Amino acid sequence: DAGITQSPRHKVTETGTPVTLRCHQTENHRYMYWYRQDPGHGLRLIHYSYGVKDTDKGEVSDGYSVSRSKTEDFLLTLESATSSQTSVYFCAIGRTSGNRDEQYFGPGTRLTVT
Amino acid sequence: TQLLEQSPQFLSIQEGENLTVYCNSSSVFSSLQWYRQEPGEGPVLLVTVVTGGEVKKLKRLTFQFGDARKDSSLHITAAQPGDTGLYLCAGGGGGFKTIFGAGTRLFVKA
Repeated sequence: DAGITQSPRHKVTETGTPVTLRCHQTENHRYMYWYRQDPGHGLRLIHYSYGVKDTDKGEVSDGYSVSRSKTEDFLLTLESATSSQTSVYFCAIGRTSGNRDEQYFGPGTRLTVT
Repeated sequence: TQLLEQSPQFLSIQEGENLTVYCNSSSVFSSLQWYRQEPGEGPVLLVTVVTGGEVKKLKRLTFQFGDARKDSSLHITAAQPGDTGLYLCAGGGGGFKTIFGAGTRLFVKA
C-alpha cells in the first residue's frame, strides 16, 4: 500500500464549471502523476511533477492545470470542464531505481461532465 | 511516438485453462511493468522486468521480457476466477516517459 488517496471519488459537474481533483500521498515520494483512463486508450499522462512547484505537461494536457505546493499533495484542475473530459482520473506516485520505473496508483476519481 | 500494443484485447475462458497475453512494441524499453486492474480500482503493479530474456514467476503467472526488450508476454496457468481483470503493460525509460498499453481484459468463468 503506497498510501495514496484521491478525492472526491465521484463527481458530476456541468459543462463550463471548474473542477479540482486532489491526490494525497503519505510516503514523501518525489514523483507524482495524473492520468486519465478511457476505453480503448489505456492510461494517458496528463501532467506530472518531479518536486514541489516542479511540474510539466504530459501527452493530453490541454484543458488541465496542476499545482504542487506541498510534497504530499498534487492537485489537478479542469479550468472549464467539457464533456470530453468525462473520464476516470488516476493519480500515481513513482518509484525509480536504476532501470526500474514503477508506479503506484490511487483508487481513482470518476468524473462525469454533463 | 512509442506505442505498446496488447493482444488480445478481450479474453473469456473457463476456469482451469491456460492463456497467454502479449505486449508488443517497435521501441526498446529499459524496463517493462505488468499491472492488474480490477473494476473500480487503480492498477496494481505485478512485476517489473529489466533484462532481455528475463523470466519472472508469480505463483501461476509467468512473465517474460523479449530478448530485444521490445516485447513481453504474460502466461497464466490454470486460470481462476480471481484472475479476472484488466492486464496492462507499461514500458519505462524514466517515470514521466512511461507509456501504457490499452490492456487485455480477462474474464475467467467458474
